[in-house]
Amino acid sequence: GAVVSQHPSRVICKSGTSVKIECRSLDFQATTMFWYRQFPKKSLMLMATSNEGSKATYEQGVEKDKFLINHASLTLSTLTVTSAHPEDSSFYICSAREPTDSTDTQYFGPGTRLTVL
Amino acid sequence: GNSVTQMEGPVTLSEEAFLTINCTYTATGYPSLFWYVQYPGEGLQLLLKATKADDKGSNKGFEATYRKETTSFHLEKGSVQVSDSAVYFCALSEKAGTALIFGKGTTLSVSS
Repeated sequence: GAVVSQHPSRVICKSGTSVKIECRSLDFQATTMFWYRQFPKKSLMLMATSNEGSKATYEQGVEKDKFLINHASLTLSTLTVTSAHPEDSSFYICSAREPTDSTDTQYFGPGTRLTVL
Repeated sequence: GNSVTQMEGPVTLSEEAFLTINCTYTATGYPSLFWYVQYPGEGLQLLLKATKADDKGSNKGFEATYRKETTSFHLEKGSVQVSDSAVYFCALSEKAGTALIFGKGTTLSVSS
């Protein structure tokens, strides 16, 4: 099946710094990718929909200036957490839809564990 | 709006026991339904899916049937293994290209 990778898998940073997380579709082109955030023992919360070549669509309550999303190519979307604070510590997961799959299956990356000190 | 409701966990079973994790949904149209599994420290993996009423998804001994009359998509396995211990998420996709709507997840713990 389709494979989605994320990098890095874990990152620890100091408060006030910025962190970039990459999401790549390895064997297919994804015009749309999704970014989720998962809190401990909680479900996944959709943060934004990333569209190749256009601005991302953010969910209500998600600060677009804090969580910058860039989908510059058909295989890469990046999420940059700007001026990170401890409350941004979380598990961030991306997914991509394989466009030729008529069942609308989404494939998930392995996630990135962000810890802000 | 659309939503997914899963049974609260954790579910604790002995090896070879029968597993059911209930999932019901609310949707305005005809969504596709999915079960994803998340092993400790990892991302989500698609377990099975069904795209229309009465479809049965199956994989690795797990099954779920899309029941439109009861708006349900319960996950079942006849004999669980220790390696099935994970968090299971039920999800729906309202239409092609949109994000998934997830249930809160059910933690399964299987002991030998």
